[in-house]
Amino acid sequence: GQNIDQPTEMTATEGAIVQINCTYQTSGFNGLFWYQQHAGEAPTFLSYNVLDGLEEKGRFSSFLSRSKGYSYLLLKELQMKDSASYLCAFIRDSGGYQKVTFGTGTKLQVIP
Amino acid sequence: EAQVTQNPRYLITVTGKKLTVTCSQNMNHEYMSWYRQDPGLGLRQIYYSMNVEVTDKGDVPEGYKVSRKEKRNFPLILESPSPNQTSLYFCASSPRTGKGYGYTFGSGTRLTVV
Repeated sequence: GQNIDQPTEMTATEGAIVQINCTYQTSGFNGLFWYQQHAGEAPTFLSYNVLDGLEEKGRFSSFLSRSKGYSYLLLKELQMKDSASYLCAFIRDSGGYQKVTFGTGTKLQVIP
Repeated sequence: EAQVTQNPRYLITVTGKKLTVTCSQNMNHEYMSWYRQDPGLGLRQIYYSMNVEVTDKGDVPEGYKVSRKEKRNFPLILESPSPNQTSLYFCASSPRTGKGYGYTFGSGTRLTVV
């Protein structure tokens, strides 16, 4: 079967670095997404990883290890506006189509 | 502006009264999908569409219908809503399904069925 797991909540200090982990299990794996969702708003796309390694995009970086079924999102120089939920999601082959499965999200609170 | 437009944003209805939530995208995307989001359960896929006239069930399709008669529109139909369909609904689109194509989400529809 498929499953995806990430911590429910995290707290970090403004200006610091925080790492949000995501573990997954699936067949036909074809990549992993990270989305940011502010309270009451729609998710917005942050990153996509399909190969092992680190992808850097400004203050945000995302890492993938396919052999370990593991990914993390790294947020540097935290700002108050980074308080949001962060959703990881994997994409898999399913009957010739690509299907996306989301985790339940990690609610990050940034404190002064 | 490239966007996915959902309507209405908020809806309160009674059990059994048919309703439609509209979704339209202006990016010529092939792939569209409906999700519901519930506390502790995350985003769960209801239906998706690979292109015009091509739709398939997601993980939680019971009680919902969709159609894709035009590329830009993908309405979600609840023929006989029940209280367990109270949820936050998102429509999403991407250029195609597959590697690297992240979703663009609509603003969401908060539905309450009483």
